[in-house]
Amino acid sequence: DAGVIQSPRHEVTEMGQEVTLRCKPISGHNSLFWYRQTMMRGLELLIYFNNNVPIDDSGMPEDRFSAKMPNASFSTLKIQPSEPRDSAVYFCASRRQAEVAGELFFGEGSRLTVL
Amino acid sequence: DQQVKQNSPSLSVQEGRISILNCDYTNSMFDYFLWYKKYPAEGPTFLISISSIKDKNEDGRFTVFLNKSAKHLSLHIVPSQPGDSAVYFCAASAMGMRFGAGTRLTVKP
Repeated sequence: DAGVIQSPRHEVTEMGQEVTLRCKPISGHNSLFWYRQTMMRGLELLIYFNNNVPIDDSGMPEDRFSAKMPNASFSTLKIQPSEPRDSAVYFCASRRQAEVAGELFFGEGSRLTVL
Repeated sequence: DQQVKQNSPSLSVQEGRISILNCDYTNSMFDYFLWYKKYPAEGPTFLISISSIKDKNEDGRFTVFLNKSAKHLSLHIVPSQPGDSAVYFCAASAMGMRFGAGTRLTVKP
């Protein structure tokens, strides 16, 4: 079975450009999470969806960040305009149930570098 | 705010000895806790979990202990092996899942 699929794996862009990161969760999973990994803060929760509905976006750092989940098999995280401090690895993860218990399955991450 | 804290950024132990990784949390609403392991250029993978109604869960060489009154959990690995060298993340769940900053474990042969 395919795991969580993220694209692109690597993105290098210039400050001010729009960046779109994509995620396909595991089929049958109805919770989806976006995280950002940095050296200082580890894995930060940006936003998560249950049944395609955003539940908590309090971790989204600024209005420059937005996330959508138009259907159960696809989500995007967009940064517009991008800044050098956005450089990080962005992970998408999914979970079968919209419940407290249950492990998350992570994708391999999208490494973003903003010059 | 950091609701889940791992105060030790790194830990080095000798092969065969015990590794103890610690984690503290602040939100009393968390009632499910997990440990993840991460290798470079890969996503984190699930290692072991514990419900808040328990104080210990064991799986082979890995044991997680939970002290709810202290809002503290720990992961014990015994015996430690060089292949255990990775970054370990503590996570706490209350619908959303929050992670700590991670502890880099190095097991020396």
